[in-house]
Amino acid sequence: QKEVEQNSGPLSVPEGAIASLNCTYSDRGSQSFFWYRQYSGKSPELIMSIYSNGDKEDGRFTAQLNKASQYVSLLIRDSQPSDSATYLCAVSGGSYIPTFGRGTSLIVHP
Amino acid sequence: NAGVTQTPKFQVLKTGQSMTLQCAQDMNHNSMYWYRQDPGMGLRLIYYSASEGTTDKGEVPNGYNVSRLNKREFSLRLESAAPSQTSVYFCASDPPEVTHYYTFGSGTRLTVV
Repeated sequence: QKEVEQNSGPLSVPEGAIASLNCTYSDRGSQSFFWYRQYSGKSPELIMSIYSNGDKEDGRFTAQLNKASQYVSLLIRDSQPSDSATYLCAVSGGSYIPTFGRGTSLIVHP
Repeated sequence: NAGVTQTPKFQVLKTGQSMTLQCAQDMNHNSMYWYRQDPGMGLRLIYYSASEGTTDKGEVPNGYNVSRLNKREFSLRLESAAPSQTSVYFCASDPPEVTHYYTFGSGTRLTVV
């Protein structure tokens, strides 16, 4: 059973701060890692993917991957109230269908 | 607008009733998926279709059937609905060149009473 673990939160950060969201996974053979954002009552939308160890930056978002420690994280710089959502981590290996974590709720307060 | 379209958006069923959830994508994607999302459980895969004419079970297939009608359409059928099938159902598709870059539909909120 491939497992993906996320702290359900909520994670509360002030506007302008850095939000750090973490995800751990059980399958050492995992190769592809995704972060989705889901606003309340809406469908998930892909915001980041990462495949290699290290950091990948896209605007205010940075995904970090450490395969040796089996964790992937998402940093959101200069957090805005509009970033308040649930963030889902998804992990897959090769051709197998991704396993999703249960998500972390992020609240950015003014 | 290009994307994944699901119908209906809301549905209330009585236990034992049947219904079909419809999903269509206009992005020429080969693969399509059905997920359910329950509070505290995350997204769980019900069935998927890697290409037209093929379907495979996911993590939670019991009580469901699917049909890949053509490349665009992938339907999910509940033959005899149960209260345990109360959930939000999402259809998704992804392009062959970037596997698992999902585009999700807007979801169907199903309540079985």
